[in-house]
Amino acid sequence: DGGITQSPKYLFRKEGQNVTLSCEQNLNHDAMYWYRQDPGQGLRLIYYSQIVNDFQKGDIAEGYSVSREKKESFPLTVTSAQKNPTAFYLCASTGRGGWQPQHFGDGTRLSIL
Amino acid sequence: AQSVTQLDSHVSVSEGTPVLLRCNYSSSYSPSLFWYVQHPNKGLQLLLKYTSAATLVKGINGFEAEFKKSETSFHLTKPSAHMSDAAEYFCVVSPFSNDYKLSFGAGTTVTVRA
Repeated sequence: DGGITQSPKYLFRKEGQNVTLSCEQNLNHDAMYWYRQDPGQGLRLIYYSQIVNDFQKGDIAEGYSVSREKKESFPLTVTSAQKNPTAFYLCASTGRGGWQPQHFGDGTRLSIL
Repeated sequence: AQSVTQLDSHVSVSEGTPVLLRCNYSSSYSPSLFWYVQHPNKGLQLLLKYTSAATLVKGINGFEAEFKKSETSFHLTKPSAHMSDAAEYFCVVSPFSNDYKLSFGAGTTVTVRA
């Protein structure tokens, strides 16, 4: 079945540590996205990428970094500069065209030790 | 620019009664509109989408939504709520642009009473 796989499902970060969240899709989608979700809030866009080797900052990119070396993969690194990283992180992908819905992974929950 | 307002942060219904989730949007162009559902600790699942075809859109699990351009609304309804409908629902607008960036509503939490 085609879909988006996020791993790990739960992740813990120590102070001063960088952690990387994995996102892989086999939908042959060009565009991929990372969102952050906090309790009682909607989704906020961190980064997005429309093609390989290119990505753009979203609304809350500070303290995060991404890469897009392969079409299928869009990992997100939460750096030590992100002072409040505890949240639920969602990865999504979509085909070309604004009428295409985004497909979501099942998320990674990041907590601070 | 586009934006989405979900008019209710929480909706509580009895099992077997109708559900209405309200959504208003603003968009400079004719948008695509979506409703997604999210169960606890899960990703978002697409319920239905409007892409300028029929104004009444049928989705999965008995949900439907009506696009009303004059009212800039895209309300979600279901005739009879089931316990499994308890979840968070997001109204989403996609602009007519090349970056495919979505605007999400803040979400409506639905509880279903037995």
